[in-house]
Amino acid sequence: ETGVTQTPRHLVMGMTNKKSLKCEQHLGHNAMYWYKQSAKKPLELMFVYNFKEQTENNSVPSRFSPECPNSSHLFLHLHTLQPEDSALYLCASSQGDGVDTQYFGPGTRLTVL
Amino acid sequence: AQSVAQPEDQVNVAEGNPLTVKCTYSVSGNPYLFWYVQYPNRGLQFLLKYITGDNLVKGSYGFEAEFNKSQTSFHLKKPSALVSDSALYFCAVPPNTGNQFYFGTGTSLTVIP
Repeated sequence: ETGVTQTPRHLVMGMTNKKSLKCEQHLGHNAMYWYKQSAKKPLELMFVYNFKEQTENNSVPSRFSPECPNSSHLFLHLHTLQPEDSALYLCASSQGDGVDTQYFGPGTRLTVL
Repeated sequence: AQSVAQPEDQVNVAEGNPLTVKCTYSVSGNPYLFWYVQYPNRGLQFLLKYITGDNLVKGSYGFEAEFNKSQTSFHLKKPSALVSDSALYFCAVPPNTGNQFYFGTGTSLTVIP
């Protein structure tokens, strides 16, 4: 295990539902990340938080809303998603930003019906 | 701009044979290079990284990678492949500034018994 946990591991939701993904890191890191991994596409960085402050938002639609209450927890709130949002959502953490090694959680497999 | 390229989508190798997964890079400044592995239904797992120094970097599970500045390559290698090495492999390069790690498109390795 990498020290980064994600719940739930699988999620099926309708387009009108509201759900949240949770990530927790037990590594004492200061930076946390959300990535989207779709089949046949490169890994897409969505959001970055460094010391609880959002430092990057890669033009992600507003139907994805991140929340970072402290350096150990990261949430991704989902509402009115589209079927094309179905993907594996990965959380990662690192000691700092930039060149520090990122450690990934197991991911949440999201299916939007 | 930082980027990496993985020229092979798929690599097949017989168990016990040496394996190579290729990666080339394009960076400004000193190159920091990473390899990650992703097993089915799991997140990315850090294998090894090159920061500076010895061109041959040793990592987890018997993997190593050779940094070649003249060929701008950072190929992942293992002397004797195991069936359990079958997975998706990503090379990556961190940013000069900010948090945007640049991942390759991944190479699917299949080790045939």
